Amino acid sequence: DQQVKQNSPSLSVQEGRISILNCDYTNSMFDYFLWYKKYPAEGPTFLISISSIKDKNEDGRFTVFLNKSAKHLSLHIVPSQPGDSAVYFCAAITAAGNKLTFGGGTRVLVKP
Amino acid sequence: EPEVTQTPSHQVTQMGQEVILRCVPISNHLYFYWYRQILGQKVEFLVSFYNNEISEKSEIFDDQFSVERPDGSNFTLKIRSTKLEDSAMYFCASSERGRDHEKLFFGSGTQLSVL
Repeated sequence: DQQVKQNSPSLSVQEGRISILNCDYTNSMFDYFLWYKKYPAEGPTFLISISSIKDKNEDGRFTVFLNKSAKHLSLHIVPSQPGDSAVYFCAAITAAGNKLTFGGGTRVLVKP
Repeated sequence: EPEVTQTPSHQVTQMGQEVILRCVPISNHLYFYWYRQILGQKVEFLVSFYNNEISEKSEIFDDQFSVERPDGSNFTLKIRSTKLEDSAMYFCASSERGRDHEKLFFGSGTQLSVL
C-alpha cells in the first residue's frame, strides 16, 4: 500500500537551518493531510495539518505546503532546533473516512 | 495533560497464544482506535470504535482480532491465536469527536513479540 509515501527515510540538518520534509500521495480522494511527530518510546503527536482547499498553513516554526496537482506536500521547519530531532510522519484522510493513512516516516536529526 | 495509557509496554508470547492489549483512553473521549507498526514499516490503521461498536476496520483486522470496551475506562485489543507476523508496536488512540485527528491522542504503544 503506497498511497502515502515519504521518499527520504532520514534527514540531517544543522541547528538554525531549515528542514524540509516531503510527502507524496496517490489517492485523489484524500482531502485532509496531517503531520505527526514521534519521539522514541512515545506515540505520534499531532504537529500541523492542511485541508485540500488550502495550499499553505503556518504555525510558528512549522509550515505545511500542499500542491494538489502534483499530489505533493511538504513540511518546513525553520529554524530547526535540536528538540525537533524525531521521526515525522505524513498522514492523509478522505472526506468520508475516519482512518489515517500514514507515510513511512522521515527521521530528522538536528545537529547543534 | 491527559494521556492515553497502554499496558503492558512489552508483551512476549508464543505463537498460537491469545494476547490482550489494554488501553485506557482519555476519560471524555468517545472515539477509539488501534493502529500498529511492524518494525521498519508504516503505521497502519486496524480499527475504529464508537458507541460500543466497530465503525471501520482494515483488511488486517480479521477474525483473529477483536476489540472491546468492557467498562467505562478500558479499551482492549485481543488477538486470539497470535502469528509471527503479528509482532509489531500496537498503538491505541482516542479523540473526543470523530475525524478530529488534530486532537487524536496516541498512547506510547505496546511492543508485541510473537516467538
